[in-house]
Amino acid sequence: SAVISQKPSRDICQRGTSLTIQCQVDSQVTMMFWYRQQPGQSLTLIATANQGSEATYESGFVIDKFPISRPNLTFSTLTVSNMSPEDSSIYLCSLRGGAGNTEAFFGQGTRLTVV
Amino acid sequence: AQSVSQHNHHVILSEAASLELGCNYSYGGTVNLFWYVQYPGQHLQLLLKYFSGDPLVKGIKGFEAEFIKSKFSFNLRKPSVQWSDTAEYFCAVTPGYSSASKIIFGSGTRLSIRP
Repeated sequence: SAVISQKPSRDICQRGTSLTIQCQVDSQVTMMFWYRQQPGQSLTLIATANQGSEATYESGFVIDKFPISRPNLTFSTLTVSNMSPEDSSIYLCSLRGGAGNTEAFFGQGTRLTVV
Repeated sequence: AQSVSQHNHHVILSEAASLELGCNYSYGGTVNLFWYVQYPGQHLQLLLKYFSGDPLVKGIKGFEAEFIKSKFSFNLRKPSVQWSDTAEYFCAVTPGYSSASKIIFGSGTRLSIRP
């Protein structure tokens, strides 16, 4: 199983500011995924981050609001820009196992509160 | 586009009762199916997964799920629940076997067990 380190684990931010969440993996992976889990709700996929190319965003999510970097095969960042209280959520990075093991592994999540 | 439906939003049971949580997906091709559990204040944990072979899959903590291809269903079962099973349960689906495929989650079912 993969080890995913995500930081910060939590933060309280002022509206209008931005927060960058880091995700470090202990093995090289092609794709990393960023999810959002709003209070009391399920996980919603924000985007898929492929190393060396622009991230692919799901419907309802845009690059200007959630820019993603993927500089190498073990690291990715998600920025939540110009935050509003509606952005208060848990943000999770994820990857899938390699061939023959396709379950998803998750980081511990970043609990973001926007005030 | 693939989607996952969980029909029960909140299920309340007494200890020792039997459990069945419904999950239906929409995707016509080969799928991988998962059930994840999220205990209060904790991170997502994989309960069980189906890739191929025996459609009856056994997971951790006495849970099992049956893949019925003709019904596009992957219902979760447990013959006798315990108070410690109180959690949020998420069904998830992904097409094929590629680690690059995104995983889509259902809306979740909250399970409350009365002691």
